[in-house]
Amino acid sequence: DVKVTQSSRYLVKRTGEKVFLECVQDMDHENMFWYRQDPGLGLRLIYFSYDVKMKEKGDIPEGYSVSREKKERFSLILESASTNQTSMYLCASSPQMGQGAGNEQFFGPGTRLTVL
Amino acid sequence: AQKVTQAQTEISVVEKEDVTLDCVYETRDTTYYLFWYKQPPSGELVFLIRRNSFDEQNEISGRYSWNFQKSTSSFNFTITASQVVDSAVYFCALSGMNTGFQKLVFGTGTRLLVSP
Repeated sequence: DVKVTQSSRYLVKRTGEKVFLECVQDMDHENMFWYRQDPGLGLRLIYFSYDVKMKEKGDIPEGYSVSREKKERFSLILESASTNQTSMYLCASSPQMGQGAGNEQFFGPGTRLTVL
Repeated sequence: AQKVTQAQTEISVVEKEDVTLDCVYETRDTTYYLFWYKQPPSGELVFLIRRNSFDEQNEISGRYSWNFQKSTSSFNFTITASQVVDSAVYFCALSGMNTGFQKLVFGTGTRLLVSP
């Protein structure tokens, strides 16, 4: 079974702190994703990585950065956390399939981050 | 641009009722994939189905069925004889050729509440 794990289920941080959210997948997937989920807005893509050290901005990258030093690990970084970054953060992974294959993404359990 | 609309924010039914969750999509791609995911209270999104744009056959899996109609750009999901365990948020999503099928665009989700 595909397993995507996230370092914390719940996290409370203070405004201005640097926050690291870690995601690890064990299925050798090339693609990894970070989303945030907010009521009424669904899932919005923050960043996407299709290979080690490669990254691409999603729809809402402002205030975030990412790191992918190893294939299995994708980190989301909040350089200076703000209250409007209070949200549920979901990590996902998927294989790099050939064109024409709409590959599904496999999700971790999520991290509910509260910034005070 | 790609867009997925789930107009139903929340649906409440009583156990054993049938319920249909609507999904309408927009895309200029001629080849695309549609997905449904379930997010139970535990938070992890669970993949339910993937459909490609060339396959308009309806699909049935146990109590779940999906109706794909290109003419109306809809991919609706029906649960027959609903159960309390079906209570969750359901997301419809789309991936298209313009992103190499790697990224998903999600709808805002429909919360289904099934009461005993």
